[in-house]
Amino acid sequence: DIQMTQSPSTLSASVGDRVTITCRASQSIGSWLAWYQQKPGKAPKVLIYKASDLESGVPSRFSGSGSGTDFTLTISSLQPDDFATYYCQQYNSYPLTFGGGTKVEIK
Amino acid sequence: EVQLVESGGGLVQPGGSLRLSCAASGFTFSTYAMNWVRQAPGKGLEWVSFISDGAGTTYYADSVKGRFTISRDNSKSTLYLQMNSLRAEDTAVYYCAKTVRSGSIYYNYFDFWGQGTLVTVSS
Repeated sequence: DIQMTQSPSTLSASVGDRVTITCRASQSIGSWLAWYQQKPGKAPKVLIYKASDLESGVPSRFSGSGSGTDFTLTISSLQPDDFATYYCQQYNSYPLTFGGGTKVEIK
Repeated sequence: EVQLVESGGGLVQPGGSLRLSCAASGFTFSTYAMNWVRQAPGKGLEWVSFISDGAGTTYYADSVKGRFTISRDNSKSTLYLQMNSLRAEDTAVYYCAKTVRSGSIYYNYFDFWGQGTLVTVSS
């Protein structure tokens, strides 16, 4: 199975900050990586797919990069609506696996 | 508008069974693969199972293999998860999630999710 490791697990930031979350795969997954945002009590929402493609309707302050085993989600200027938990997911092979999550908190 | 509505969750004793349903609308259900994903209270996301559009292919997480069965009724636009031999560690919110498709190729990330249904396994 492919293990997905996210860091940090918690991140404290202020509105306007540039935020970077890292996801590492235990083996190469090409660009088959998605990023999701989840707010308390709600279902996840896809932000990025194929490592760097922005899902329709997602603000351009979100961006993704990387390939192989190392990936990054960047929020260029953190907005109040962005405080949430973020997950990466590999879809290179079954079983599909998620990272452990990164909670972005208000500093 | 795509909608996925789960139902069937509840409290069940260890060793018991439960069947979850996910009613789909707003898209041609029969042409999309579907998945179940769960989230234990206060924990992260865990993929549970996949079923292809025609139900000919299924996959399961090792944690549920042999106990859970995914199925679908395309005439009713409904996805199911039959859960047997339930354990305390199966306690979670269960989401159904739609897989992305481009032509004949599935991309196994999830563009739409239901609101989830809570399954609690406890005596």
